[in-house]
Amino acid sequence: AQTVTQSQPEMSVQEAETVTLSCTYDTSENNYYLFWYKQPPSRQMILVIRQEAYKQQNATENRFSVNFQKAAKSFSLKISDSQLGDTAMYFCAFMKHESHNAGNMLTFGGGTRLMVKP
Amino acid sequence: DTAVSQTPKYLVTQMGNDKSIKCEQNLGHDTMYWYKQDSKKFLKIMFSYNNKELIINETVPNRFSPKSPDKAHLNLHINSLELGDSAVYFCASSQAGLGMGRFFGTQYFGPGTRLLVL
Repeated sequence: AQTVTQSQPEMSVQEAETVTLSCTYDTSENNYYLFWYKQPPSRQMILVIRQEAYKQQNATENRFSVNFQKAAKSFSLKISDSQLGDTAMYFCAFMKHESHNAGNMLTFGGGTRLMVKP
Repeated sequence: DTAVSQTPKYLVTQMGNDKSIKCEQNLGHDTMYWYKQDSKKFLKIMFSYNNKELIINETVPNRFSPKSPDKAHLNLHINSLELGDSAVYFCASSQAGLGMGRFFGTQYFGPGTRLLVL
């Protein structure tokens, strides 16, 4: 079974600064995906970024980037130029690369609550 | 257009009642999921389903059952509701199986249904 750990329950950052959220995971799989989802107060789960384990290059999406260290089983999220709208819960998630159709379930970490301060 | 929708958004009911939450996706995906988010924000898979396969998380009580009238819908039925069932329930969908496209395997979530059992 897979486990995902987010060691920072809460974090805060000043507007326009950079913050890094940590995530580690444990798996015996070699092929998998990693995700960061954002959950603002509206409760909606929003995909932030995705990383395929077979890719060495770190994924980036505008102000969001990851540091994927496969050997260390680490997957941190960096938010640059933080904005007030980035205030939310952030969840790291793991998904095996299953060959059968219904097997692609997400395993989530416990979440990090990020507050961006003006 | 809403990609994944759920109804109702809020549900307040008494212990012992039977209730259903509906989920519809218009993304053309072949796999749908139900997740439960508890009061501590922890997210856990309940079911993963497509027209060929149902995978049930072994910790889910058999009072919970998914029902899929067609590929675009996966409803959640809950019998004999208990206080501990109070949570936010999320539906999600994805195009599962093997694939390397950017959005292949990525799950898209509905807005959630907050269930309160009194």
